[in-house]
Amino acid sequence: QQQVKQSPQSLIVQKGGISIINCAYENTAFDYFPWYQQFPGKGPALLIAIRPDVSEKKEGRFTISFNKSAKQFSLHIMDSQPGDSATYFCAAGIGGATNKLIFGTGTLLAVQP
Amino acid sequence: EAQVTQNPRYLITVTGKKLTVTCSQNMNHEYMSWYRQDPGLGLRQIYYSMNVEVTDKGDVPEGYKVSRKEKRNFPLILESPSPNQTSLYFCASSTHDRGYNSPLHFGNGTRLTVT
Repeated sequence: QQQVKQSPQSLIVQKGGISIINCAYENTAFDYFPWYQQFPGKGPALLIAIRPDVSEKKEGRFTISFNKSAKQFSLHIMDSQPGDSATYFCAAGIGGATNKLIFGTGTLLAVQP
Repeated sequence: EAQVTQNPRYLITVTGKKLTVTCSQNMNHEYMSWYRQDPGLGLRQIYYSMNVEVTDKGDVPEGYKVSRKEKRNFPLILESPSPNQTSLYFCASSTHDRGYNSPLHFGNGTRLTVT
């Protein structure tokens, strides 16, 4: 119930292509869905987040698509660049009562020049 | 510069030798938390603290202790480390607005090896 399933585990994309990472959850009480980006040797950093009252949120080349009925959300990286090469984690949280996030297992993205 | 500072960055120890990983934040955040990152398992919460003197277990608390005597510091203590605690550890902090999720600010990690 508390799991967040993330796929794929790794992804190779050509420069300029679209990177897509998917996540699914079971607990309908989740109401906050962030994506974190982690570069080697660094801690994760918040990239973009969405709440379930909208189906899409876009910030620059990064877009979250959210499907409440399917309990799925995804990260799309448009015009992927080598500098986007990193590990991406989706997460899900509930209402801020404990600020607790359940993280997915991560996706290692490599963007080839 | 706003940051979460963990020390040490790398630590190699032997089974049973008590160790402490320090974490300090300079953002006056109420909320602090420890995570471990393992391949294929993502980030799992060990302990968290909503404010000074308030701590609670996360998803994988066994074998760990924490304390929150000051707002800025949240050390992670392994009283008797075992090889299954070999992992990459992250400390994180955030503001805490009840009803909202605030972004977590992570440190740069501590890679612990227990032999």
